[in-house]
Amino acid sequence: KQEVTQIPAALSVPEGENLVLNCSFTDSAIYNLQWFRQDPGKGLTSLLLIQSSQREQTSGRLNASLDKSSGRSTLYIAASQPGDSATYLCAVIDNTDKLIFGTGTRLQVFP
Amino acid sequence: DAGVTQSPTHLIKTRGQQVTLRCSPKSGHDTVSWYQQALGQGPQFIFQYYEEEERQRGNFPDRFSGHQFPNYSSELNVNALLLGDSALYLCASSLMIRGWNQPQHFGDGTRLSIL
Repeated sequence: KQEVTQIPAALSVPEGENLVLNCSFTDSAIYNLQWFRQDPGKGLTSLLLIQSSQREQTSGRLNASLDKSSGRSTLYIAASQPGDSATYLCAVIDNTDKLIFGTGTRLQVFP
Repeated sequence: DAGVTQSPTHLIKTRGQQVTLRCSPKSGHDTVSWYQQALGQGPQFIFQYYEEEERQRGNFPDRFSGHQFPNYSSELNVNALLLGDSALYLCASSLMIRGWNQPQHFGDGTRLSIL
């Protein structure tokens, strides 16, 4: 059974810091991995999708990497801003074609 | 271009009641998936609908049922509500291509509170 873990559970940093959020999964037979952002009481906004054949994806200040063999992905946020404050969720899609989520990292960036 | 829309946004029910949640997929999408997100947890897959049929199901009891209509919209029904059913219910839509869902787009969810 696929299990997804995210570390740390919560993070509080001053504005301007570079951040790394971690995601690990137990079964390397995934088809892709997706990072989402969730604001309080809201739905999920897709940030980056990495297909199994890819090693990384970049969008603006965000960079996500994927190492299938070790069952790990990282989300790198450069020059963090207060507007980045949210919960960040990673999810994998395996051969059952459904998203399996971690419990998220709650990020607070203070001015 | 409207994204995924869900209704209602908030709902309060009592134990034992029944509830119906609704979802309209993003324009051009044909597949709808439902997720339950308890407070402080990641979303858990409930089931997925494609071509008006349940394509696959997560580990949820039969009290949870659904339907997809010809216009691809979907409903989630929960019978005999329990306190533990209190959660944010998220709908996601996608386009099925060659048997695989393309990236799923999420609505803002329905917050269900059971008293």
